Amino acid sequence: AQSVTQLGSHVSVSEGALVLLRCNYSSSVPPYLFWYVQYPNQGLQLLLKYTTGATLVKGINGFEAEFKKSETSFHLTKPSAHMSDAAEYFCAVSEGSNYQLIWGAGTKLIIKP
Amino acid sequence: DTAVSQTPKYLVTQMGNDKSIKCEQNLGHDTMYWYKQDSKKFLKIMFSYNNKELIINETVPNRFSPKSPDKAHLNLHINSLELGDSAVYFCASSQEGIPALAFFGQGTRLTVV
Repeated sequence: AQSVTQLGSHVSVSEGALVLLRCNYSSSVPPYLFWYVQYPNQGLQLLLKYTTGATLVKGINGFEAEFKKSETSFHLTKPSAHMSDAAEYFCAVSEGSNYQLIWGAGTKLIIKP
Repeated sequence: DTAVSQTPKYLVTQMGNDKSIKCEQNLGHDTMYWYKQDSKKFLKIMFSYNNKELIINETVPNRFSPKSPDKAHLNLHINSLELGDSAVYFCASSQEGIPALAFFGQGTRLTVV
C-alpha cells in the first residue's frame, strides 16, 4: 500500500532563507508524486508534479522538487522564502494519473520577517 | 471567477441534524469529487462522480449521500450528523476522471456539537 510521510507539521524560516519541506513515500510501483499548496482561506492548488522523465521538477512561484528513488523522497525546496509563501503544503502519491491520491498530513510553512 | 466554489465555508450544527454542502465548478470538467480531511489533516476520497454518475464510493456511512443535478454541481448531503463527522470537506473537479489533476475548492469546515 502507498503512504506519504511529511516530516514536521510546522516549518518556520526567515524571509530570504532556503525553504525545505520534506516528503517521503512508500510505493510498490513507480510513483507519481505531487505537491499541493493551500493558502489561507483558499482551496488546494497543484504546485508541481513528477510523473516520469527528469527527476528535478519545477513548479509555480519558484518552487522545485527532486524525485530521489533511492531515498524514496520528494522534498520541496525554494532558494529564498517570501512572506507570500506562508501556507500549508501537502505531498501526495499515486500509482498513475487515473489513480487516487494518497495524501500526507501537510506541513505549515511559517515565514518570519 | 472562482473555479471550484463550495458553500458554506463554515458550518456549525447540532448532532442529529441533516445538512448539505454545495459545490459548483465552472471549469467544464466532467468529474467531481468529495474529500474529507480529518483532524490529522489527512485527505481521503469519499465520492467521485463522472458525468453525473457515481464512479467511486469509498467506505463512508450511508448517512452521506452525494447528489449531482448536473455536471457542474456535486452536493453532499449528510443525515443524522454525529460528532465524528466534524472535519473539513473539500470538493474538487477534474477532466477525464484524472484525480491527480483536480482543482479543489476552499473547503467547508463542519463542526458538529
